[in-house]
Amino acid sequence: DVKVTQSSRYLVKRTGEKVFLECVQDMDHENMFWYRQDPGLGLRLIYFSYDVKMKEKGDIPEGYSVSREKKERFSLILESASTNQTSMYLCASSSIGQGGFFYGYTFGSGTRLTVV
Amino acid sequence: SQELEQSPQSLIVQEGKNLTINCTSSKTLYGLYWYKQKYGEGLIFLMMLQKGGEEKSHEKITAKLDEKKQQSSLHITASQPSHAGIYLCGALTQGGSEKLVFGKGMKLTVNP
Repeated sequence: DVKVTQSSRYLVKRTGEKVFLECVQDMDHENMFWYRQDPGLGLRLIYFSYDVKMKEKGDIPEGYSVSREKKERFSLILESASTNQTSMYLCASSSIGQGGFFYGYTFGSGTRLTVV
Repeated sequence: SQELEQSPQSLIVQEGKNLTINCTSSKTLYGLYWYKQKYGEGLIFLMMLQKGGEEKSHEKITAKLDEKKQQSSLHITASQPSHAGIYLCGALTQGGSEKLVFGKGMKLTVNP
């Protein structure tokens, strides 16, 4: 069964801490994405990556950075956690299939981060 | 402005009732993807629609794509408590893009 695995389901961190959220996929997908999900705001794209060592800013990149050193792993880094970064973080991956067919995203189970 | 509007925003139904969720795009649709999310979990893929007029069904859930209206509907027949959750639509609104735009989701509650 294909999977996107996020390292933690629940995380509590203190304000000012550097936080690492890890995401690993086993589908050999080129594309990986980080979203945050908040009530009333839906899914908002933070960063995405189309290839190893490549990254592009999404809609809300401020306060975040990412790292993709290997194809299967995409890390989200909160440089100095703040309370307004308390949220549900979702990782996803995707790829173009045979004949250029796009099958959509496969999502991880999410990490609920609380910054206190 | 929001590219994908979902309606209604939330719905409470009695078990056994039918219901329809809509997803309307302000841009041309190049693909429409439906996901379901249980509270506190990730999104599970339900169905994808690629062509105007396309209709797909899985168990008691049917999705349709109206390309001209730039709209998709998700219909649940004889709802069950297991159908409860948040339903999100995602769409490709640029040809050749691999980045989905998402609606804000529709929260469904099914009372036994």
